[in-house]
Amino acid sequence: GEDVEQSLFLSVREGDSSVINCTYTDSSSTYLYWYKQEPGAGLQLLTYIFSNMDMKQDQRLTVLLNKKDKHLSLRIADTQTGDSAIYFCAERKGQNFVFGPGTRLSVLP
Amino acid sequence: DAGVTQSPTHLIKTRGQQVTLRCSPKSGHDTVSWYQQALGQGPQFIFQYYEEEERQRGNFPDRFSGHQFPNYSSELNVNALLLGDSALYLCASSLSGAETQYFGPGTRLLVL
Repeated sequence: GEDVEQSLFLSVREGDSSVINCTYTDSSSTYLYWYKQEPGAGLQLLTYIFSNMDMKQDQRLTVLLNKKDKHLSLRIADTQTGDSAIYFCAERKGQNFVFGPGTRLSVLP
Repeated sequence: DAGVTQSPTHLIKTRGQQVTLRCSPKSGHDTVSWYQQALGQGPQFIFQYYEEEERQRGNFPDRFSGHQFPNYSSELNVNALLLGDSALYLCASSLSGAETQYFGPGTRLLVL
């Protein structure tokens, strides 16, 4: 397909791990990103990975990349209520970042 | 160090009017990109400016135009506004050649 795809909703309990999934389109080398958007705000860069890597870890965040399946995931360990937001996956195409529709993460107490 | 700033924060216009949105990039950045984010959707790339020229453009009509100034700040202009232009307009800045771009808080435009 031509679009970056994500599941639209995810609900987890506080303290559990969250896994947000994304499929992208470009089979060539590229950068892939995760952004977080809270209500009424702009996008906050969380982390990014180059497509020749399998994994990247940054504190509570772990990014896994399956290049064969063009599948990217973001794992948030020990999810907190402050993690409730919309998470966007994006892939870089030239000067353009192509975004998915976003996954709304709800963290239940 | 100020991040990316945008003005105004909110704007209400009527169909057929014209609007100008402004963006100041993060200190040290020389490249500005503009995105449109409709409600419930991901951002869509409008265009990117570098060295005061449009470097790449997304699938937006000519009603959308822009400008970059010598201090790297940028404007987005939209002519003949349509109801469908109602959206959050995001500016992102980067240093040319860098992997990352950083977003401003956006301008929310409502067209009545």
